[in-house]
Parts: sequence; structure tokens; C-alpha cells
Amino acid sequence: NAGVTQTPKFRVLKTGQSMTLLCAQDMNHEYMYWYRQDPGMGLRLIHYSVGEGTTAKGEVPDGYNVSRLKKQNFLLGLESAAPSQTSVYFCASSPNYEQYFGPGTRLTVT
Amino acid sequence: RKEVEQDPGPFNVPEGATVAFNCTYSNSASQSFFWYRQDCRKEPKLLMSVYSSGNEDGRFTAQLNRASQYISLLIRDSKLSDSATYLCVVLSGGYQKVTFGIGTKLQVIP
Repeated sequence: NAGVTQTPKFRVLKTGQSMTLLCAQDMNHEYMYWYRQDPGMGLRLIHYSVGEGTTAKGEVPDGYNVSRLKKQNFLLGLESAAPSQTSVYFCASSPNYEQYFGPGTRLTVT
Repeated sequence: RKEVEQDPGPFNVPEGATVAFNCTYSNSASQSFFWYRQDCRKEPKLLMSVYSSGNEDGRFTAQLNRASQYISLLIRDSKLSDSATYLCVVLSGGYQKVTFGIGTKLQVIP
């Protein structure tokens, strides 16, 4: 039982490049979330999903897209990376209100 | 005013001391409250839920004061291993509004 896993762990992008972050959970949770964490800002919700095939915007969705084609996977895409998207990205899954986080992806955009 | 406010600290306390953190929230309709713990460069992990009646788990006690709109976390007999950042989490509007505080950093010194 791996819990929540994230791929990749680290990535450096150039401005304008695109990439997809993968989150996978093996706990059969309905709810999944993508956050970013920046110094002095705390965790901020980017997008979330309440079930397979559904997604919704969180607090800071601009510049990101998501998809949840399978219940266990939640993908976060950056179509055209900007330096302002340099951050640590955490994925979480939840059976109800308690959230279980993945280990994070450290992304640097130069 | 921020939706969820925490004193970022750091709180430097000696081993064995009792320390308390508060977290204030602005939305009086907030429904659920949690404390998470985050170690340096790691993912947040659920520490405990906060119920109206209070919640105790070993050396940790969480309380909710709806009238004054704050939650608190009390740690008794602090251990070196308690050194971490403690995040306050407030849920409003079901799963649509998950707000994290910026966290309070605790350093327990020998």
C-alpha cells in the first residue's frame, strides 16, 4: 500500500515549456487535490476533484489544467510554464475530510 | 484580513515545556477544523481533528472556540521530535473551500 505517490520528485523547466505532474493513490479515495506551497503563503488549492471524470477550480487555478480520467490518478498540467510557477506541488487524496498527502514535486522554472 | 491566520513563530521551547498555538478564522460558517504537522521538506500529515467538544490525543489537545472563531493546539511535555511546523486547516462549503494557515514553526531545544 503505497498511499499517495507523485511523479516526478524534482523538475527544472525553462519558461514556456510544458509538463505534467502525476499523482496516484491506491486507497480508493474519491477526492483528490492539487496544492502549491510557497514560503510565507502556506498551501494553496489549485484544483480538486470529487470523483472520476470531475474537476473543479480551487483558489489559484490560472496557468494550470487537470484531468481525472481514472479514479486513482489526478494529473496537473502546466501548458506554458512561468517563473511564478516555481513552487513545491503537493497532491492529496481524501475519503472524506482528512487529507493524505504525497511527498511533493519541487518545480523550478527558469 | 486573511481567512486563516497563524503566528508563524518560531516558537523556541525547552524540552518538557508546554506550548500552545492559536489559529483564527474569519468565516463563521466554517464547518471542520484540523491540525496538520509538516516536517522540513516533507508533506503535511494529519495530526488531529478539532471537535466542538475538544479533542485529546496523548500529549496533544485541540480545542475549538466558535464564538471567538479560533482553534488551539496544546502540546504538553514537549519532545525534541515535536519540532515541526503545525498547520491549521479550515473547511468551509464542504470540499470546495479548504484553507490552510501558513503554519507555526516549533523548535524544541534540549
